[in-house]
Amino acid sequence: AQSVTQLDSQVPVFEEAPVELRCNYSSSVSVYLFWYVQYPNQGLQLLLKYLSGSTLVKGINGFEAEFNKSQTSFHLRKPSVHISDTAEYFCAVRSSGGSNYKLTFGKGTLLTVNP
Amino acid sequence: SQTIHQWPATLVQPVGSPLSLECTVEGTSNPNLYWYRQAAGRGLQLLFYSVGIGQISSEVPQNLSASRPQDRQFILSSKKLLLSDSGFYLCAWSLSLIGYTFGSGTRLTVV
Repeated sequence: AQSVTQLDSQVPVFEEAPVELRCNYSSSVSVYLFWYVQYPNQGLQLLLKYLSGSTLVKGINGFEAEFNKSQTSFHLRKPSVHISDTAEYFCAVRSSGGSNYKLTFGKGTLLTVNP
Repeated sequence: SQTIHQWPATLVQPVGSPLSLECTVEGTSNPNLYWYRQAAGRGLQLLFYSVGIGQISSEVPQNLSASRPQDRQFILSSKKLLLSDSGFYLCAWSLSLIGYTFGSGTRLTVV
């Protein structure tokens, strides 16, 4: 079984500042890692994913994340945020094996970008 | 291209009434299908998943049930709603490494 811990439930930042949303996971098997974004009253949209290869993964809207196996982390970063980045962000993990593809999500981090 | 439809968008139901939420997928075959519930401050909780027609796995004991009568149709039901069933319900589909594609969600309020 896997678990995900998003260390910050809320992160307020000013526009154009850099941001890092932290995610740690626990698993006894190899995993795939994902970040999703949710705007109010909408479904979740995939930002980026790590499957294998380069540990630095680039996604949509200027976000990137780095997989660190030794620290079991997958932190999300953006060098300069916009007001429109205000949303809830979810880190998720699934086993790289199996056929049910179940994702385990963290509790989410609410990013609020202030002018 | 693949799309996922989920309806209704919002629903207000009295305690003790039945529930039926429907999710359909277009543009893909034999996807894995999922129902999640999102409660404030609690993240996403996997309720049911299905790897094929008539195959339903339940993740948590509860007042809800799910069915998959067709390959691309996934239904979430309840015979008698409880106040604790209120929440934001999300349907999703997945094929291998693509990750999940989510529907737009249903906001259920049980009164």
